[in-house]
Amino acid sequence: DQQVKQNSPSLSVQEGRISILNCDYTNSMFDYFLWYKKYPAEGPTFLISISSIKDKNEDGRFTVFLNKSAKHLSLHIVPSQPGDSAVYFCAASYTGNQFYFGTGTSLTVIP
Amino acid sequence: EAGVVQSPRYKIIEKKQPVAFWCNPISGHNTLYWYLQNLGQGPELLIRYENEEAVDDSQLPKDRFSAERLKGVDSTLKIQPAELGDSAVYLCASSLIGRDNEQFFGPGTRLTVL
Repeated sequence: DQQVKQNSPSLSVQEGRISILNCDYTNSMFDYFLWYKKYPAEGPTFLISISSIKDKNEDGRFTVFLNKSAKHLSLHIVPSQPGDSAVYFCAASYTGNQFYFGTGTSLTVIP
Repeated sequence: EAGVVQSPRYKIIEKKQPVAFWCNPISGHNTLYWYLQNLGQGPELLIRYENEEAVDDSQLPKDRFSAERLKGVDSTLKIQPAELGDSAVYLCASSLIGRDNEQFFGPGTRLTVL
């Protein structure tokens, strides 16, 4: 049973525009959420996180929004750059221990 | 500072053969994780160690998979015998104890079982 879902396997965006990556979860107990970025042949690297006590967290060009009632979070990248082209995974945890990962969204930023 | 090191990076074996993967975590990281990532999927936790103790191995298929972290540093994940469905990327990650939301991943070992 997939507790964290990323329904868009891929996304293409023009350079300079906004990229919006979406993630849905089913377990209302989840209280901490992460986004990871993964380049080919590399392991995932941490990008940004948010706890359930917040609805927004911003770090430079990256902002994560959390809608607990809808069990939905999104990652906004503004402006998008070609170097942002990668696979993005969202992950969620409720114990602070095991994280459940989504299936990933492959972002392509077109120069 | 060196990141998480994994070897080999790629491994091709025939089914029913044994295989082992090695992970060296970031220095000082007491917690070590092994994840399985199937094609088109996100990482799935196999086992988590705190020092040399496996604190969560509920997802590890114990009939064919085993892991060890004898001195609380390096770890080895073994599959014996390997099956076709084991073809995947095996990721190792590490973190400080209690900092599970700050996991650092290695590049993974891509296993192909023929």
